[in-house]
Amino acid sequence: QQPVQSPQAVILREGEDAVINCSSSKALYSVHWYRQKHGEAPVFLMILLKGGEQKGHEKISASFNEKKQQSSLYLTASQLSYSGTYFCGTEGNNDMRFGAGTRLTVKP
Amino acid sequence: DSGVTQTPKHLITATGQRVTLRCSPRSGDLSVYWYQQSLDQGLQFLIQYYNGEERAKGNILERFSAQQFPDLHSELNLSSLELGDSALYFCASSVAKGDIQYFGAGTRLSVL
Repeated sequence: QQPVQSPQAVILREGEDAVINCSSSKALYSVHWYRQKHGEAPVFLMILLKGGEQKGHEKISASFNEKKQQSSLYLTASQLSYSGTYFCGTEGNNDMRFGAGTRLTVKP
Repeated sequence: DSGVTQTPKHLITATGQRVTLRCSPRSGDLSVYWYQQSLDQGLQFLIQYYNGEERAKGNILERFSAQQFPDLHSELNLSSLELGDSALYFCASSVAKGDIQYFGAGTRLSVL
């Protein structure tokens, strides 16, 4: 089942912060976060594993609540380059599902 | 450059035809995933292979099939194509489950 992302869209001014949420109804092995710019391939941001391990870029932070099967991506001091669509992907035992995406627009 | 190579970049074909999309994973990656992305939509997981064996299946139609070869490259075969199959098809590779997935640039399929 597809994870649910919120919000669907957000508009920020440069320097502002944002939080993107992702929730699943299934037990998860890992949560992945990717950013995709229009017409390009998704680019890895962060992966959070059951048990607490995380791998990601230094400027990106995220959390994973295993009990609630929820994850949040924290974008601080946003830059113009942060604009794009953010997808969370949830990895269960036998599949990989992505949310519908959150469209983030950062304005000067 | 993610290190994942997909060919061709663009494919234009007619309804009813059959096409093959190819993916070469990053060196050392054993897992290959296939995704379909329709216009301005999210990523739909199709299928995953690990070291030559099918590991997981998602929303893959019966008209679609895939395989991973001994050299770890993978092919996605789409047959009896319909207009609705027009989409971006991405391949991603990773070392194993729970690891970073690196995406190729995608193959844009247009069915006319």
